[in-house]
Amino acid sequence: GAVVSQHPSRVICKSGTSVKIECRSLDFQATTMFWYRQFPKQSLMLMATSNEGSKATYEQGVEKDKFLINHASLTLSTLTVTSAHPEDSSFYICSARAISGLIYGYTFGSGTRLTVV
Amino acid sequence: GENVEQHPSTLSVQEGDSAVIKCTYSDSASNYFPWYKQELGKRPQLIIDIRSNVGEKKDQRIAVTLNKTAKHFSLHITETQPEDSAVYFCAATTILDGADGLTFGKGTHLIIQP
Repeated sequence: GAVVSQHPSRVICKSGTSVKIECRSLDFQATTMFWYRQFPKQSLMLMATSNEGSKATYEQGVEKDKFLINHASLTLSTLTVTSAHPEDSSFYICSARAISGLIYGYTFGSGTRLTVV
Repeated sequence: GENVEQHPSTLSVQEGDSAVIKCTYSDSASNYFPWYKQELGKRPQLIIDIRSNVGEKKDQRIAVTLNKTAKHFSLHITETQPEDSAVYFCAATTILDGADGLTFGKGTHLIIQP
């Protein structure tokens, strides 16, 4: 089945530094990947849609200069949290859509727990 | 954009009983409705999904029903077991090339009482 690998699983960084999170589709090509953020005991909120070879589309209220997304290949999308602050501490999860004929589904990465101190 | 409402936020049932979680959506163009189970600190796991051309789908103890007219869909779990305890999320989206992220409900914490 479709597998999405996400790294790192946990990261602690100092306020003001940047953190890069990688999301890879291991056994399929993902022209579109999605980035979500989940605060404790809350739902997943879509941050942005990442399309291979083009600029990401950000949801309302998400700062594109703060959350840099790069989707340089059909199997890799990266999210960089720039100048991180404690309020950016959250669970970040990527997702890729796998399409096989008329069957489609969304596969999630294992998530990255970001703590900004 | 799409808005998904999910109820209840917490559901406690006795082991062996059935559990029902309900969701409504706002965008009549939505055509794909997955349900996810998430355990603490882990990724959401797809448990069942339904597309808008189908009214009901069943997979062993899990079933989903969809009412397009009323714009609501429900998850049914029968013969609940302790391992069913988790947070369940419904979601909705319109499947289009390159523009179809999921909109999630707020989640239901399902507690199975032994």
